Amino acid sequence: AQKVTQAQTEISVVEKEDVTLDCVYETRDTTYYLFWYKQPPSGELVFLIRRNSFDEQNEISGRYSWNFQKSTSSFNFTITASQVVDSAVYFCALSPTYTGGFKTIFGAGTRLFVKA
Amino acid sequence: NAGVTQTPKFQVLKTGQSMTLQCAQDMNHEYMSWYRQDPGMGLRLIHYSVGAGITDQGEVPNGYNVSRSTTEDFPLRLLSAAPSQTSVYFCASSDRSDTQYFGPGTRLTVL
Repeated sequence: AQKVTQAQTEISVVEKEDVTLDCVYETRDTTYYLFWYKQPPSGELVFLIRRNSFDEQNEISGRYSWNFQKSTSSFNFTITASQVVDSAVYFCALSPTYTGGFKTIFGAGTRLFVKA
Repeated sequence: NAGVTQTPKFQVLKTGQSMTLQCAQDMNHEYMSWYRQDPGMGLRLIHYSVGAGITDQGEVPNGYNVSRSTTEDFPLRLLSAAPSQTSVYFCASSDRSDTQYFGPGTRLTVL
């Protein structure tokens, strides 16, 4: 069975702090994708990143970075120098490869508050 | 390139009424899905389609119908609305990369 756990329900930080959102997953599939989505207060779901299970390289995009560790089944997301605009709910997700996305399992989400 | 569009953005229904939530995508994606998002429940898959003319049930299909007559459109029909269907509904499309692109959502209230 597949499962995605985001143990942090809510995180509150002050602007310019670094923050890490944790994601732990379970799967029996040998190949899979991991995703992060952002849901700002306006409600839409915004795709941030997709990582294939055979690619454990960390990725950095501006203030965002992702750390994928297969050994611990984790795919953590760090925001450096957080800003108020980063306030949102962040979802981690897992999908077997080449299934069209409809077998995607979403975590419950972590609500991030960034205070000015 | 509009991506995934959904209409309406907001809707209020009375119990027993029927309605159709519209979803369209212009990315020529094969796969489309409908989810509902409820507090504390995350995103739950209602129905999905792997191509025009092919649909299947997801985790919570009861009370909903779908059809996929074209690649672009994937409407969701509520047959007889119930208060338990009060939710935010998201349509998504994806290609073989499995990355799902979501519409802006429809907030539905059933009284």
